[in-house]
Amino acid sequence: AQKVTQAQTEISVVEKEDVTLDCVYETRDTTYYLFWYKQPPSGELVFLIRRNSFDEQNEISGRYSWNFQKSTSSFNFTITASQVVDSAVYFCALSEAGSGYNTLTFGKGTMLLVSP
Amino acid sequence: GAVVSQHPSWVICKSGTSVKIECRSLDFQATTMFWYRQFPKQSLMLMATSNEGSKATYEQGVEKDKFLINHASLTLSTLTVTSAHPEDSSFYICSARRPQGSYGYTFGSGTRLTVV
Repeated sequence: AQKVTQAQTEISVVEKEDVTLDCVYETRDTTYYLFWYKQPPSGELVFLIRRNSFDEQNEISGRYSWNFQKSTSSFNFTITASQVVDSAVYFCALSEAGSGYNTLTFGKGTMLLVSP
Repeated sequence: GAVVSQHPSWVICKSGTSVKIECRSLDFQATTMFWYRQFPKQSLMLMATSNEGSKATYEQGVEKDKFLINHASLTLSTLTVTSAHPEDSSFYICSARRPQGSYGYTFGSGTRLTVV
């Protein structure tokens, strides 16, 4: 079974629309970290956020916000007022205490296309 | 801080030749580095975990004789693709665990390998 599921393969929006990228994870560990990364066409991975399993506070950073809900094992990412520069592939990832945080398991990614 | 440099950014080589990719942690010591492979429009798949001063740990299905990993120092890990074939063409990304206590990962900018 997939440990990190990003059910949305591709999302297309028009600039200024809000968009939410879904991430559902699976783990038996009580201690773990969740991450979101952005991969623009150039290929490098850009770190966006890291969230500890004990911290369920939602976080907002500019136009980005994250909703972490342990009850549903979800860690969704919302971009408000999307911009063309947001076009990229976004990966959700999980790191578990059981692996000594030595394994970062990625979801399959969601490609976001923001058109003008 | 916590910068990882990877090079080359891209390389084209002939079938049968070997290619070496370097991954350096510039401002911290990385006892553990990771090598990922990414096919077009797919997720990152962990190939191996590289431990300084010891043998790398390869994921199931990854040929250790084909993908040679050396982690001879605390700041450098190398991946050598030996006797490359066109099917080895891919995007290779390295990452390093951030300094202890930060529970994060820093990624290199990736290497696009094309075997002709």
